Amino acid sequence: EVQLVESGGGLVQPGGSLRLSCAASGFTFSSYEMNWVRQAPGKGLEWVSYISSSGSTIYYADSVKGRFTISRDNAKNSLYLQMNSLRAEDTAVYYCARDLPMVRGVVDVWGKGTTVTVSS
Amino acid sequence: DIVMTQSPDSLAVSLGERATINCKSSQSVLYSSNNKNYLAWYQQKPGQPPKLLIYWASTRESGVPDRFSGSGSGTDFTLTISSLQAEDVAVYYCQQYYSTPRITFGPGTKVDIK
Repeated sequence: EVQLVESGGGLVQPGGSLRLSCAASGFTFSSYEMNWVRQAPGKGLEWVSYISSSGSTIYYADSVKGRFTISRDNAKNSLYLQMNSLRAEDTAVYYCARDLPMVRGVVDVWGKGTTVTVSS
Repeated sequence: DIVMTQSPDSLAVSLGERATINCKSSQSVLYSSNNKNYLAWYQQKPGQPPKLLIYWASTRESGVPDRFSGSGSGTDFTLTISSLQAEDVAVYYCQQYYSTPRITFGPGTKVDIK
């Protein structure tokens, strides 16, 4: 079964850091482009970051650029998001999301999400 | 960034009736070289992640019931649920991937049973 399982969320103070992980299984992780997408409480979906299958190409939303770092370890079938200088507006459920093969930008597999709360 | 808008914000439809959701992009998402619209639709039920329904504006994802259909081109798109079922209660999002990887989503349309 194709599966993405996020972990690492929690409560953190403003200015703090957190590292999210996403464990992939059931497919050849190294062949797929991946994303992080977040959803603030009661709000819509916001794309956060993208990484190519090899990890050589990376993009960020302007709202997180310079504070968040996406990475992957294909040997461990894992995707990561290092989040620094966290703000209240970063509070959200963070989803690990796989691009549909041959249709870059369409997410065909989503994890269940991990909740990040930034509050003092 | 390409801004996506949706209408209505919410709608209530009787079981077995048609539900129609509109989506508009701030610029065309039709790529002239392949004549494809870079527009997808997702369904999100409470407490669950989104689920892909449609991409290329009208291509149904594998396993999606055929009561879901997408149409439109350029800047104006529609998701139609031909005969609403109880399990279709959800929020529906449109998404453009013309500017991939900088994808953007619409604000969502909540569908309920009347």
